[in-house]
Amino acid sequence: GESVGLHLPTLSVQEGDNSIINCAYSNSASDYFIWYKQESGKGPQFIIDIRSNMDKRQGQRVTVLLNKTVKHLSLQIAATQPGDSAVYFCAENIGGSSNYKLTFGKGTLLTVNP
Amino acid sequence: NAGVTQTPKFRILKIGQSMTLQCTQDMNHNYMYWYRQDPGMGLKLIYYSVGAGITDKGEVPNGYNVSRSTTEDFPLRLELAAPSQTSVYFCASSLRGQPQHFGDGTRLSIL
Repeated sequence: GESVGLHLPTLSVQEGDNSIINCAYSNSASDYFIWYKQESGKGPQFIIDIRSNMDKRQGQRVTVLLNKTVKHLSLQIAATQPGDSAVYFCAENIGGSSNYKLTFGKGTLLTVNP
Repeated sequence: NAGVTQTPKFRILKIGQSMTLQCTQDMNHNYMYWYRQDPGMGLKLIYYSVGAGITDKGEVPNGYNVSRSTTEDFPLRLELAAPSQTSVYFCASSLRGQPQHFGDGTRLSIL
């Protein structure tokens, strides 16, 4: 089975609200985690990443939190916009610094209501 | 930069036919990957390459073959198409230790 999974398969929010997408992983050896956004008919687009020696990383309107104790990863999107509507995937790497053999979760569909 | 380019975008095959999915990148990335994505699912790794002349199996390699004769190109070959290979195929590339960049996929149906 997959070692990366999601608590919520769908998430619906109002425009302007903050969104939180969660992800659980089971491999304690995973050292690198990535969030991707996938719009309909497109390939996954990199959003933000975090290495296992960090607990938090911030980007533009996005924050990733890593809790290694409970093997949990979350993506926070501030002031969610209609353009944020997409499927979001978390992925983990157990290949060390070589960054291959990413394992993807099934994805969460985020719908932003205007 | 074009990034990662995949061709064709769509294809319908008959059972038993063969075809090659093309992937090329212009970012001088040494790592390249092939994934498949079934409806409502995440991506599963088929094959990957850490440089020209080097390839290795991923999670679901059966029924596929790859080659990596140049840094830029990483074609995926289906020799005897089966209905179970109906999927969307994504190619990606990266530098070592960096996020993977994806193409927009090839949608393949086998009837």
